[in-house]
Amino acid sequence: GDSVTQMEGPVTLSEEAFLTINCTYTATGYPSLFWYVQYPGEGLQLLLKATKADDKGSNKGFEATYRKETTSFHLEKGSVQVSDSAVYFCALSPSRGSSNTGKLIFGQGTTLQVKP
Amino acid sequence: DGGITQSPKYLFRKEGQNVTLSCEQNLNHDAMYWYRQDPGQGLRLIYYSQIVNDFQKGDIAEGYSVSREKKESFPLTVTSAQKNPTAFYLCASSIYGVNTEAFFGQGTRLTVV
Repeated sequence: GDSVTQMEGPVTLSEEAFLTINCTYTATGYPSLFWYVQYPGEGLQLLLKATKADDKGSNKGFEATYRKETTSFHLEKGSVQVSDSAVYFCALSPSRGSSNTGKLIFGQGTTLQVKP
Repeated sequence: DGGITQSPKYLFRKEGQNVTLSCEQNLNHDAMYWYRQDPGQGLRLIYYSQIVNDFQKGDIAEGYSVSREKKESFPLTVTSAQKNPTAFYLCASSIYGVNTEAFFGQGTRLTVV
């Protein structure tokens, strides 16, 4: 079935450090892939997305590339800030033909803490 | 402004009581979802609806009920049968179909006292 696996956290970095949060997926066909961010006590916000292989989603300095060959969608940022401290969720929207069509499948979330 | 509104933000319930969480959207989305989030954990799907007057159970539907009488509204009732209802509840909506992202409300934190 469709699933998403994220690296376990928490991830603790110093300000201006390079960030990578790994995400791999299992799915039939060609799902769409997303990264969401959740700040404390709030709902999830869409950070970026990619809808086909080799697409690169980007927003607010964050990037992720849809790698079909490695079934991955790793989140990266070149220089993190304290304000980036949050929980990050990788997710997929299954393609047509999946038994999970119409649902959004989430990873477990990775907590990022950035220290000044 | 278009968006999803959940209310209330905080809710306290006595054991044995039913309680209903509100979710309203004005994005004209066909699909709506309820998720439960426990501390340090991911999101678990409770119920989802892809069209008015129809809904499906998610992964953890026991002890919950929903209705979808209007496109804009998808209330969730946490019944007394739910053994451990204290959690953060998130409502989301999306365009119906494949490969679509979901938009989330701000969440309701339910505490059983």
